[in-house]
Amino acid sequence: DIQMTQSPSSLSASVGDRVTITCRASQRIIDYLNWYQQKPGKAPKLLIYGASSLQGGVPSRFSGSGSGTDFTLTISSLQPEDFATYYCQQSYSTPRTFGQGTKVEMK
Amino acid sequence: QVQLQQWGAGLLKPSETLSLTCAVNGGSLSGYYWGWIRQPPGKGLEWIGEINHSGSTNYSPSLKSRVTVLVDMSKSQFSLKLTSVTAADTAVYYCVRGPPVGGDQNWFDPWAQGTLVTVSS
Repeated sequence: DIQMTQSPSSLSASVGDRVTITCRASQRIIDYLNWYQQKPGKAPKLLIYGASSLQGGVPSRFSGSGSGTDFTLTISSLQPEDFATYYCQQSYSTPRTFGQGTKVEMK
Repeated sequence: QVQLQQWGAGLLKPSETLSLTCAVNGGSLSGYYWGWIRQPPGKGLEWIGEINHSGSTNYSPSLKSRVTVLVDMSKSQFSLKLTSVTAADTAVYYCVRGPPVGGDQNWFDPWAQGTLVTVSS
């Protein structure tokens, strides 16, 4: 199985901050990497697929980068509605695996 | 636009079988894998398994011995059965649309609303 490790597990930030979350795969996954946002009591929502492609309707302040084993999700200017938990997920092979999540909290 | 709606029993006793069904509205089952993902309370996401319109399945190795995913093309539904449940199977279960059959890039979208399944004696 491919293990996905996110860092940090949580972070505190303020509205307007630039936020970066990293995800590392235990083996090379090219660009088969997706990012999801989950708010309390809700299903996860796809933000980015293929490491860097923005899902339709997702604000352009979200961006993804990386290839191989190291990936990054960046929120360029944090908005109040962005406080949530973010998960990466590899789509390179089965079993499909997720990172443990990064909780973005208000400072 | 495809929407998923799921239902099933929310309270089970240990050793019982979990059974959930997901209906696909606004689209066809053909051409995609359809799957299940779960999330224990306060924890992360775990992929359970998936099926395509022809019945081809992929399962998580850790659950494979207890999981069955079935598809009913006539009803545009797919279902999850998990046998011999324990407290460790307590989680919110989500049905999702998964990878396109024969496709390259793939992701989970959309997701249903989720069903909390609690296993308790």
